[in-house]
Amino acid sequence: DAGVIQSPRHEVTEMGQEVTLRCKPISGHNSLFWYRQTMMRGLELLIYFNNNVPIDDSGMPEDRFSAKMPNASFSTLKIQPSEPRDSAVYFCASRNIQGLSYNEQFFGPGTRLTVL
Amino acid sequence: KQEVTQIPAALSVPEGENLVLNCSFTDSAIYNLQWFRQDPGKGLTSLLLIQSSQREQTSGRLNASLDKSSGRSTLYIAASQPGDSATYLCAVEDTGRRALTFGSGTRLQVQP
Repeated sequence: DAGVIQSPRHEVTEMGQEVTLRCKPISGHNSLFWYRQTMMRGLELLIYFNNNVPIDDSGMPEDRFSAKMPNASFSTLKIQPSEPRDSAVYFCASRNIQGLSYNEQFFGPGTRLTVL
Repeated sequence: KQEVTQIPAALSVPEGENLVLNCSFTDSAIYNLQWFRQDPGKGLTSLLLIQSSQREQTSGRLNASLDKSSGRSTLYIAASQPGDSATYLCAVEDTGRRALTFGSGTRLQVQP
């Protein structure tokens, strides 16, 4: 398996523009997570999906952020409009959750976003 | 709200030394604890996962322990090598919330 795939790897945009980050989870995994990493706040959960349904979006900073998972093999994280303080590395992770099973989360390489 | 703390924030050791990284968490109601490695500009690589019912896990030169009641975990690295230089992150999964809460990491440098 190719692991979790994210695109683009790097994105530079200007304030006010729309940004869309993409993620393909590992085949067979039923849960997908979006995290953000900054120097100030470290790694924080933004949202996670289980069986394509958003379960916990309490980490989504504000209405400018939205995430979708239209099917089991694809998810997007959209920022509209983007602001300089959104600059960070955005990670996608996936895992297989079955009841109380204890499976690892596998992370993608991340998207480094810079908003000028 | 779960909080995860890692000590020290940074560590520099000569090659060959054994070392211990510490992680503490405030809420002991966890499913598991996971240790990750992150190289500069890269993603996270899972090293070890300890279930809440376990006391330790081993993989090669790495050994992770868990004391759930006291809210502590340690990552022991034996015979450190320059290739071990990276940031090590500890993360816990709370019961009822199937996502990870991360510590801020320990930046390790192993001098040749």
